[in-house]
Amino acid sequence: AQKITQTQPGMFVQEKEAVTLDCTYDTSDPSYGLFWYKQPSSGEMIFLIYQGSYDQQNATEGRYSLNFQKARKSANLVISASQLGDSAMYFCAMKELGQAGTALIFGKGTTLSVSS
Amino acid sequence: GAVVSQHPSRVICKSGTSVKIECRSLDFQATTMFWYRQFPKQSLMLMATSNEGSKATYEQGVEKDKFLINHASLTLSTLTVTSAHPEDSSFYICSASHGAREKLFFGSGTQLSVL
Repeated sequence: AQKITQTQPGMFVQEKEAVTLDCTYDTSDPSYGLFWYKQPSSGEMIFLIYQGSYDQQNATEGRYSLNFQKARKSANLVISASQLGDSAMYFCAMKELGQAGTALIFGKGTTLSVSS
Repeated sequence: GAVVSQHPSRVICKSGTSVKIECRSLDFQATTMFWYRQFPKQSLMLMATSNEGSKATYEQGVEKDKFLINHASLTLSTLTVTSAHPEDSSFYICSASHGAREKLFFGSGTQLSVL
């Protein structure tokens, strides 16, 4: 069964610093996708970045990068130059791609607090 | 880009009443939609997978008679919380798949409060 683990309930960082949010996963499907979402207090789920299991390069989207270490089954999110608006809950999620119609499974989330 | 509309965004109801939540894909056809439930400060828990024209697949521990899901068209899935009780108070959010299998889009969520 697939599983996503986020071990950091909360993280604190100062503005302009970089922060890494940890995520490990487990699956028996060789084809899978890894996602990071940001959820502010409004509740909306904001897609940040995606990494496919067969992608050779680590994904990057602006200030977000995904440190994908396949052998370790980890997919950590790195946010560079943190901003106050980055304060939110962050979820790592995985979707098995072996068959159509599978759902995203989420980790427990990490609350990021950015201070000035 | 693809948009998923969820309505209502917030609902307060009395215990024992039923509440319907709608999830629409506005500019694409979604053969599969997913319903999640989220308690404060917790993760999104998958409740069910909704396939157009067929019965929904519920996750273990989710009462299908309590949470009725209908996916009658390629753009609309509904979740009805029947005979709601205070313990059903939660944030409910839908998502729909579109295009490449990895693409998923979320509605804005519904905060249900049962008095």
